[in-house]
Amino acid sequence: NAGVTQTPKFQVLKTGQSMTLQCAQDMNHEYMSWYRQDPGMGLRLIHYSVGAGITDQGEVPNGYNVSRSTTEDFPLRLLSAAPSQTSVYFCASSYSYRGYEQFFGPGTRLTVL
Amino acid sequence: SQQGEEDPQALSIQEGENATMNCSYKTSINNLQWYRQNSGRGLVHLILIRSNEREKHSGRLRVTLDTSKKSSSLLITASRAADTASYFCATDANAGGTSYGKLTFGQGTILTVHP
Repeated sequence: NAGVTQTPKFQVLKTGQSMTLQCAQDMNHEYMSWYRQDPGMGLRLIHYSVGAGITDQGEVPNGYNVSRSTTEDFPLRLLSAAPSQTSVYFCASSYSYRGYEQFFGPGTRLTVL
Repeated sequence: SQQGEEDPQALSIQEGENATMNCSYKTSINNLQWYRQNSGRGLVHLILIRSNEREKHSGRLRVTLDTSKKSSSLLITASRAADTASYFCATDANAGGTSYGKLTFGQGTILTVHP
């Protein structure tokens, strides 16, 4: 199993550009989520999904969109990048939203100029 | 808002010593989880302790949970240089009895173990 994969590993954008961060898992997990991690801070939840076709907002959803058309994939879209979105983004998955450990991808380091 | 607050922010010890990290939180929880993050990498799950449990062990790790004080501690015994990492607690809040898996992370403790 590859686990949770994320692409790209690094990305530089200009203010106003849009892009999609890809996340895929091969564990048939029901639950997937996106976090951002800023220097010296823990992770903050952006969006999450409890199953294909179901998504909801986390703590910091503004400026981001998600969709979950399949169990495996959970892309994160930045609509119009801003410098405040410079961060490291982590995707995670879990067997179920009912109190299970989460498996994290390696992260995408995004810089917005 | 950050539900979990960790203490200390940084901890430096010698190999072989024990390391204790503490986590406090504000609201009732379904479970509390500890994760490790090596520099520049993703997070790795260590232990999950449910709200009706008081103590849990996994190898050299021991986690305690005191729901009356809304606090948890992670003890790493006989530490090794390879334990050098950031450690995060994450709480799964009790939203009307249903866990939605929405973890709230603390700011983390940076542990350095010197050989």
